[in-house]
Amino acid sequence: DQQVKQNSPSLSVQEGRISILNCDYTNSMFDYFLWYKKYPAEGPTFLISISSIKDKNEDGRFTVFLNKSAKHLSLHIVPSQPGDSAVYFCAAEISGANNLFFGTGTRLTVIP
Amino acid sequence: SQTIHQWPATLVQPVGSPLSLECTVEGTSNPNLYWYRQAAGRGLQLLFYSVGIGQISSEVPQNLSASRPQDRQFILSSKKLLLSDSGFYLCAWSHGVAEQYFGPGTRLTVT
Repeated sequence: DQQVKQNSPSLSVQEGRISILNCDYTNSMFDYFLWYKKYPAEGPTFLISISSIKDKNEDGRFTVFLNKSAKHLSLHIVPSQPGDSAVYFCAAEISGANNLFFGTGTRLTVIP
Repeated sequence: SQTIHQWPATLVQPVGSPLSLECTVEGTSNPNLYWYRQAAGRGLQLLFYSVGIGQISSEVPQNLSASRPQDRQFILSSKKLLLSDSGFYLCAWSHGVAEQYFGPGTRLTVT
């Protein structure tokens, strides 16, 4: 049972434009959400997170939005750069539990 | 700073052979440790996690096992590999907070 879903397996964006990656979850107990970025043949690297008490968190070019009522979060990258091309994983957890639930990932390609 | 190591980077093993993947963490003590697998076209699946030496929790029943003989060492093993064990294996650590930090991974191909 996939509790965290990324329904778009891939996304292509022109350099300088905005990239929007989406993520949906089913478990209303999740209260902490994370985005990871993964290059081929490497481990994922933590990018940005958001607690369920917030609806937005911003870090430089990266902003994560959380809509708890819709059980939906999104990652905005603006402006997109070619170096952003990677697979992005959304993850969710219940605070205190030792288990992160990951989505299946979205491959972002930023076209120069 | 903390560093996480995994080896080998790639591995090709025949069906029925044993497996041992090792993960070590430097620069921290008493970390939570995790083994994940990423199969082709699928997300990251948590296999095992450990909150201390000798303490292993299994999330997915399978022919794999894990051990934590030392505080910063986590080993993934199998007595007999199956074709379905092929994938990208990732070790991660955390300190009880949500962010987990991943190693470089091991690409396992079972032939």
